Amino acid sequence: EPEVTQTPSHQVTQMGQEVILRCVPISNHLYFYWYRQILGQKVEFLVSFYNNEISEKSEIFDDQFSVERPDGSNFTLKIRSTKLEDSAMYFCASSEGTSGETQYFGPGTRLLVL
Amino acid sequence: SQKIEQNSEALNIQEGKTATLTCNYTNYSPAYLQWYRQDPGRGPVFLLLIRENEKEKRKERLKVTFDTTLKQSLFHITASQPADSATYLCALHRGTYKYIFGTGTRLKVLA
Repeated sequence: EPEVTQTPSHQVTQMGQEVILRCVPISNHLYFYWYRQILGQKVEFLVSFYNNEISEKSEIFDDQFSVERPDGSNFTLKIRSTKLEDSAMYFCASSEGTSGETQYFGPGTRLLVL
Repeated sequence: SQKIEQNSEALNIQEGKTATLTCNYTNYSPAYLQWYRQDPGRGPVFLLLIRENEKEKRKERLKVTFDTTLKQSLFHITASQPADSATYLCALHRGTYKYIFGTGTRLKVLA
C-alpha cells in the first residue's frame, strides 16, 4: 500500500540554524500539507500546497518557514532560523483532492532545537 | 475564533464495552468531519469521514454521527478491544485547504 515517507525521523539542531524536513507524498496525490505537533498538544495545521504554490497557511507559518516541491516527488519544509519553540513533531500529509478527502500522514520528523 | 473540543483528555473502558467519544465545535460550519487514530510517536491514521448532509456513518465496529444543529460529532467503537487503545482525533474542514484538529481523546481499553 502506498505511503507517505519522511526524512529524517529525528533531527537535533542548534537554535538559529536552518533545517530542511523532507517528505515524499503518495505519487498520484495532488495536495500536500505540513502539520506540527508539540509534545502533548494537538496537531496544528501549518500550510497546504497545490499546483506548486501555497494554497493556505496558518498564523504559525511565518517568514521563517517555506515550502518547496523541488522535483516531482519531494516536498520540503524549511525553517530558516530555528527557535526553541520550533521543537515539535512535524508531519507531512497528502491527499488526492481537497473536498474532505482522506489525508495520509507520514510518520513524522521529531525536531529538537537546543 | 474556531474552536474544537473533544470531551475528555482520557477515557478508560472495559474490554467489550462501547466507547463513545465526543467532538464539539464552535464558530465553524464544517462540510466534512473526519476521525483519526494516533498512536504514540506516530502520524494520525484516517478512520472515517462524514459529510454535513449525513447523519451517520459506519465501518466495521466504528460508527460516527454528525449533528450540525448541536455542532457535535460522536464516535463509537463497539466491542472495544485493548488494541483500540490510542488517541482519537476529530478534524474539520470546509471548502478550503485547511484542516482543523481537535485536542484528542486518549482511549484506554482495559482487559
